[in-house]
Order: sequence, then structure tokens, then C-alpha cells
Amino acid sequence: SQKIEQNSEALNIQEGKTATLTCNYTNYSPAYLQWYRQDPGRGPVFLLLIRENEKEKRKERLKVTFDTTLKQSLFHITASQPADSATYLCALSNQAGTALIFGKGTTLSVSS
Amino acid sequence: KAGVTQTPRYLIKTRGQQVTLSCSPISGHRSVSWYQQTPGQGLQFLFEYFSETQRNKGNFPGRFSGRQFSNSRSEMNVSTLELGDSALYLCASSLRDGPNTEAFFGQGTRLTVV
Repeated sequence: SQKIEQNSEALNIQEGKTATLTCNYTNYSPAYLQWYRQDPGRGPVFLLLIRENEKEKRKERLKVTFDTTLKQSLFHITASQPADSATYLCALSNQAGTALIFGKGTTLSVSS
Repeated sequence: KAGVTQTPRYLIKTRGQQVTLSCSPISGHRSVSWYQQTPGQGLQFLFEYFSETQRNKGNFPGRFSGRQFSNSRSEMNVSTLELGDSALYLCASSLRDGPNTEAFFGQGTRLTVV
């Protein structure tokens, strides 16, 4: 069955450092991969979308890579800030439908 | 513009009862999807509607159903509630049909079954 794993449930880093979150998947051939941020008590908020034929996408301090050979996506937040503390979710979808398959998320804590 | 609105925000029901949750998408969005979020399973896809038609359905029992109205508003219904149905139910709307479209989520309805 399709499986998505995000490297760890929790990641703690110091302010100013680069946070790197990992999303691995098996038994799936996604056409698109998305990253969302979720704060406690709120719904997920879209951050970035990357297509299978794109290697890398950037948006301000965020960078996403997508390696379909390794079946892995890396999500980087550079110059992290305490305000970046949240749970980050990766989600996959294929050409066949709009249903997003989500990982369970990684909770990032940035300390000052 | 207004975001996705879900009502009610919180709900407590008893086992065996049924419940209806409502979702108003962003104006102009025709695609609405529903997800169940629990600490153990994370976000799981329930179903997706586009222009009043169910386009996709997740792996949930028939007790879970939904519909979409002509104004794109959507409802989901859970009958014969079980304790395991306690979860955060999230609705997301998208502007277009298709997998390459970002989803805008509401704040969710927290359902507790006792």
C-alpha cells in the first residue's frame, strides 16, 4: 500500500540555523508534491508545490527538492525563526485524481 | 476574501448518533475535499466533490457520506457514530479541478464522540 514517511515526529533547532525536513514515499508515483504548515488548532496552510519534472523550487526562505529516483523530498527553511515553529506536512498527488495523501508531519521547534 | 468556513467548530455527540458537518468554500472555488485528522493516523482523505459530483472517495466505511450543493457548499454526514470517529474534520477548497492545485483548508470541526 502507499506509504509516506516524514523523517521524524519532532525536530528541534536553534534560531538562524537551516531546518531540513524529509519526506519519503513508497508504492506511489506522484506527479506533484506539496508542503503544508499546520499550527495547533488550525487547518494546514499551503506553502509550496513541486512537479515530478522539477528538481527544486524556492520561495523566500523555503526550498523544496524532489527526487523521484530516491522517492524523496527535502524541505529546507533557511535562517529559521521561532515563528517557523509548527508542524510541516508533505502531501502527494498523481495525475489520476485530486486526492492528497499526507504524511503524518514533522513538528519543528525553533528556539531563540 | 473570506477563507474556508467550517461549522460548527466543536461538537460532542454520543455513540450511535449521527452528525452533519458543513463547509463553505472560498468564493469561486468549485472543488471541495474532506479529510479526517487524528493523532495516530494523521490526515486521511475522505472524499472530494467538484461541481456537485463526487470525484474521489477514500477508504472509509459507508457511514461516512457527503454532498455538494450548487453553490459549492458541502456537507459531510457520519451515521451511527463510533468512539473512533473522534477527530478533527477538515474541509479544503480548490479553485480548479486537478492534482496540481493548492488546497485551502478551513479550521476544522473537532468532533468528540462519547
